Amino acid sequence: NAGVTQTPKFQVLKTGQSMTLQCAQDMNHEYMSWYRQDPGMGLRLIHYSVGAGITDQGEVPNGYNVSRSTTEDFPLRLLSAAPSQTSVYFCASSYIQGSYNEQFFGPGTRLTVL
Amino acid sequence: TQLLEQSPQFLSIQEGENLTVYCNSSSVFSSLQWYRQEPGEGPVLLVTVVTGGEVKKLKRLTFQFGDARKDSSLHITAAQTGDTGLYLCAGPNQAGTALIFGKGTTLSVSS
Repeated sequence: NAGVTQTPKFQVLKTGQSMTLQCAQDMNHEYMSWYRQDPGMGLRLIHYSVGAGITDQGEVPNGYNVSRSTTEDFPLRLLSAAPSQTSVYFCASSYIQGSYNEQFFGPGTRLTVL
Repeated sequence: TQLLEQSPQFLSIQEGENLTVYCNSSSVFSSLQWYRQEPGEGPVLLVTVVTGGEVKKLKRLTFQFGDARKDSSLHITAAQTGDTGLYLCAGPNQAGTALIFGKGTTLSVSS
């Protein structure tokens, strides 16, 4: 199993550009989520999904869109990039939402918005 | 709002020393998890504690869940350079729909 994969690993955007961060998992997990990690801020939840066709907002959803058309894939779309979105983005998955199930994280995407 | 406060924020020690990292909240959590993150990688789960007062050991790492399930600690005995990393505690929100993370403790162990 590859686990959770994320592409690209690094990305530089100009303000106003749009892009999609890709996330895929091969563990048949129902629950997937996107976090951003900023220095001194910890991991903050952007959006999550409890299954194909079901998504919901997390703590910091503004400026981001998600969709979940398959169990395996959970892309994160930046609609119009802003410098405040410069961060490291992590995708995670688990068997069921929250509770005490292990979250498996991808290696992250490092995004810089100029 | 459920918050997890971790202390200290930074810790720099010599190899062989002992240390304790704390994770505190004013809210009760059904469980708490500890993750370790190395530079350039995603967090990896170390342990989950579920029962108040529970103690779990993972080699030189000892994890404790407070009796009231509002706090947890991670104790490392005889730290090694390989223990260097960011240690994060996390717990489920009340709805069970997401994990809440503390801001982390950055540990640096030098030889």
